[in-house]
Amino acid sequence: GQQVMQIPQYQHVQEGEDFTTYCNSSTTLSNIQWYKQRPGGHPVFLIQLVKSGEVKKQKRLTFQFGEAKKNSSLHITATQTTDVGTYFCAGSTSGTYKYIFGTGTRLKVLA
Amino acid sequence: GAGVSQSPSNKVTEKGKDVELRCDPISGHTALYWYRQSLGQGLEFLIYFQGNSAPDKSGLPSDRFSAERTGGSVSTLTIQRTQQEDSAVYLCASSYGTGGDNEQFFGPGTRLTVL
Repeated sequence: GQQVMQIPQYQHVQEGEDFTTYCNSSTTLSNIQWYKQRPGGHPVFLIQLVKSGEVKKQKRLTFQFGEAKKNSSLHITATQTTDVGTYFCAGSTSGTYKYIFGTGTRLKVLA
Repeated sequence: GAGVSQSPSNKVTEKGKDVELRCDPISGHTALYWYRQSLGQGLEFLIYFQGNSAPDKSGLPSDRFSAERTGGSVSTLTIQRTQQEDSAVYLCASSYGTGGDNEQFFGPGTRLTVL
């Protein structure tokens, strides 16, 4: 079945450093979503990417969807302590709105 | 309501007992999802409802797990003869389920502990 992997599993950075998490799907996706889960909280939607090669920015966050629509990345510029949490990608294949979540990347930011 | 609600927030049960978990989605959302999240782990897809279509049950781990959605709104996830490995946070999410807007809104979850 469909699998979605993320790397790295964990990342510790100093405040102000950049951070990137990568998401890879075993199958071609129709769209991909990104979520952030703070410690003790529930996932919160960040963005959805649909088009091949799409790049979207939200302030310090940059999201990319690969040309083959099988991979994606989230890049955070100049991390802040408020960026702490686990970042998940979630992919859906054509004809369904079922989403398979990636394994997640847990980010810790050291002040 | 303002968001997705789930009840109970916490459930402690003994091995072998049945439990029911409830999800109230956002009004107007046609899609409803159940996920399971073990401590420190990712979200495991369980089941997905879309409007009046037959649900996608492909993620249910065993026949002890079942779910229904009455009237296209409230959903109940039932676990029969609970086992210790069922202990996890069960998250419900809803969305409009349309082509352009699939943002999933998550509830706070039900933390299930099987003793």
